Amino acid sequence: DTGVSQNPRHKITKRGQNVTFRCDPISEHNRLYWYRQTLGQGPEFLTYFQNEAQLEKSRLLSDRFSAERPKGSFSTLEIQRTEQGDSAMYLCASSSPGPGLARHEQYFGPGTRLTVT
Amino acid sequence: AQSVTQLDSQVPVFEEAPVELRCNYSSSVSVYLFWYVQYPNQGLQLLLKYLSGSTLVKGINGFEAEFNKSQTSFHLRKPSVHISDTAEYFCAVSGGLTGGGNKLTFGTGTQLKVEL
Repeated sequence: DTGVSQNPRHKITKRGQNVTFRCDPISEHNRLYWYRQTLGQGPEFLTYFQNEAQLEKSRLLSDRFSAERPKGSFSTLEIQRTEQGDSAMYLCASSSPGPGLARHEQYFGPGTRLTVT
Repeated sequence: AQSVTQLDSQVPVFEEAPVELRCNYSSSVSVYLFWYVQYPNQGLQLLLKYLSGSTLVKGINGFEAEFNKSQTSFHLRKPSVHISDTAEYFCAVSGGLTGGGNKLTFGTGTQLKVEL
């Protein structure tokens, strides 16, 4: 069990550019979550997948954001036409299918810190 | 919608002293409760969780928390802190009506600063 990994760890981009982040969950975890954390705040839910299906998106996820999990394993989060307000830490988490209540436990990756200049 | 309130944004404490970090949540249905710790420029590490059963739960690094349904609280405690406990602590809730496949709703965090 190597834990949740995220790449890159840091990304600096200019306003208007597109960026893509990758998340590799713990193997055999069927649920994958994306959160965004701004400075001094707790993480906020963006979206989640069960296997390859994206089942819910937050209102925080504007049309410029898109997430995929094409084979039910790793996931990508793309931000198009970045804005300075997109600067944040983007966190990925995964959870197992069970047994029982274990599916409620989410394990987080180290995050990708995005800075938009 | 559910919400989590962490009343203290910062808690300074001397090393080897006890500490309590407060967390209250709002929900009218059953919930699952978590405490996470975040060190600078890192992701979140699960400290402990309440899913069911005993209301007193023990976690890693000597931390424990007590679920109090009547007061809708889940305060985190440690009897003797160490300098290495300096970090940001987040309380989170899932379940009930949150939807989103058990998505977590977080508080704003409490910065624990342990001083010598």
